Amino acid sequence: KAGVTQTPRYLIKTRGQQVTLSCSPISGHRSVSWYQQTPGQGLQFLFEYFSETQRNKGNFPGRFSGRQFSNSRSEMNVSTLELGDSALYLCASSLSGSSYNEQFFGPGTRLTVL
Amino acid sequence: KQEVTQIPAALSVPEGENLVLNCSFTDSAIYNLQWFRQDPGKGLTSLLLIQSSQREQTSGRLNASLDKSSGRSTLYIAASQPGDSATYLCAVWRAGGTSYGKLTFGQGTILTVHP
Repeated sequence: KAGVTQTPRYLIKTRGQQVTLSCSPISGHRSVSWYQQTPGQGLQFLFEYFSETQRNKGNFPGRFSGRQFSNSRSEMNVSTLELGDSALYLCASSLSGSSYNEQFFGPGTRLTVL
Repeated sequence: KQEVTQIPAALSVPEGENLVLNCSFTDSAIYNLQWFRQDPGKGLTSLLLIQSSQREQTSGRLNASLDKSSGRSTLYIAASQPGDSATYLCAVWRAGGTSYGKLTFGQGTILTVHP
């Protein structure tokens, strides 16, 4: 069974640009969560999608947005990039996103903002 | 607000030692606790999931316990090997409210097992 996949694995952008990251969950999983990992703040929750609906959102500015498609694949978009957006972005999938489910993480996308 | 703390922040041990990693959380209203391993620059690998109704889970050389009343979990690694070197993270899934898909993570314990 294939795991969670994320593309691209590495990205280099400049300040002010925008970026789109993609996540394909494990087959059969309908919930996708996104996290940002930085050395200073650790792992922080961005948002969660289930059946194309955002059900939960972390404390991030509106420049961070996402969406989910009917096949459960999800994309995350960051507009007007800032230097502080440099991070490892991880997505996780679970069956339903309820708190009894185990979350499985992808390899992450390393974003560097210059 | 849920806070998760992991102690120690770093640990260096010789191969073969048994070791314990600690995780504490401030809000005992959790549904489950999950332990992960992260290798440098990589994603997270799920090690063990403990539901709130359970007290421990075992997988191979790993054993994790959960005490909700005291807000603590421990990860026990038996007979450590150099391949166990990684960052170990615990995360809790809070009960109630808008908890969909949201894990709250500790800062991790960096484990180094030297030959």
